[in-house]
Amino acid sequence: QVTLKESGPVLVKPTETLTLTCTVSGLSLSNARMGVSWIRQPPGKALEWLAHIFSNYEKSSDEKSYNTSLKSRLTISKDTSKSQVVLTLTNMEPVDTATYYCARADAYAWLENDSWGQGTLVTVSS
Amino acid sequence: DIQMTQSPSSLSASVGDRVTITCRASQSISRYLNWYQQKPGKAPKLLIYGASSLQSGVPSRFSGSGSGTDFTLTISSLQPEDFATYYCQQSFITPITFGQGTRLEIK
Repeated sequence: QVTLKESGPVLVKPTETLTLTCTVSGLSLSNARMGVSWIRQPPGKALEWLAHIFSNYEKSSDEKSYNTSLKSRLTISKDTSKSQVVLTLTNMEPVDTATYYCARADAYAWLENDSWGQGTLVTVSS
Repeated sequence: DIQMTQSPSSLSASVGDRVTITCRASQSISRYLNWYQQKPGKAPKLLIYGASSLQSGVPSRFSGSGSGTDFTLTISSLQPEDFATYYCQQSFITPITFGQGTRLEIK
C-alpha cells in the first residue's frame, strides 16, 4: 500500500519561497510506477496540477513536468534515499494560498493519481 | 495546454437517480481521461482511469465512457454518499489539466 504525506509551513509571507516535502512509503521512488504529482486547490476552487516527477528507465534520468503558467517559479526534485519529493514555489503571493497535495502517478499506466496525501493548507499573508 | 470543460457545473439530483456528467477536451486525448470524487475537507479519490476502467474498491454504479474529446461519468443509482464534487483530468500530455468540477447536490 502506497502512502504519501505532505509537510511544510502553514504560513508564508509574500515574496517568500515555499518548500513542501512529500514523504512516500510503500514503493521506492526509483520505481517508475511511483511517480509523484503535486496538485493544489485554493479554498472553494478547482484542482490545479502543478508538477510531476518520475524515473525514466530508458533515459536513466528523472522526468519532470510543470504547470505552464507557474513553470518559472516551480522546481520539483526527489531524494530517493529519503523517499521524499520536494516542491519549491518562489515569490509567493496571496493567490497561492491553497491546500497542496502530493499524489502518486503511475508512469506505466495512465498517469492517474490513485493515492493522495491528506493535503497541507498553506496561507500566504504578511 | 489542453482545456478540459465539464458540464454541468452543478447538478441537483435525488437518491436513486441516474446522473451523467460530461467532460470535453480541447483536443483529442485518446482515452487518457480520469475521474475523481472529492468531498469537503478531503483529498480527491480516483474513481475511473483510462476513460472507463473502474478503480479498485469503487462501487460498480460508477462508470465512464468516451474517447478522443468527449467523455462521460455516469452514476447509475445515486446513493447518499455520492453527493460530492467530481473532476475530470486529462493525462495524455503535460501539463496535465483538470476540469473545473461538477458539484452534485441533493435535491
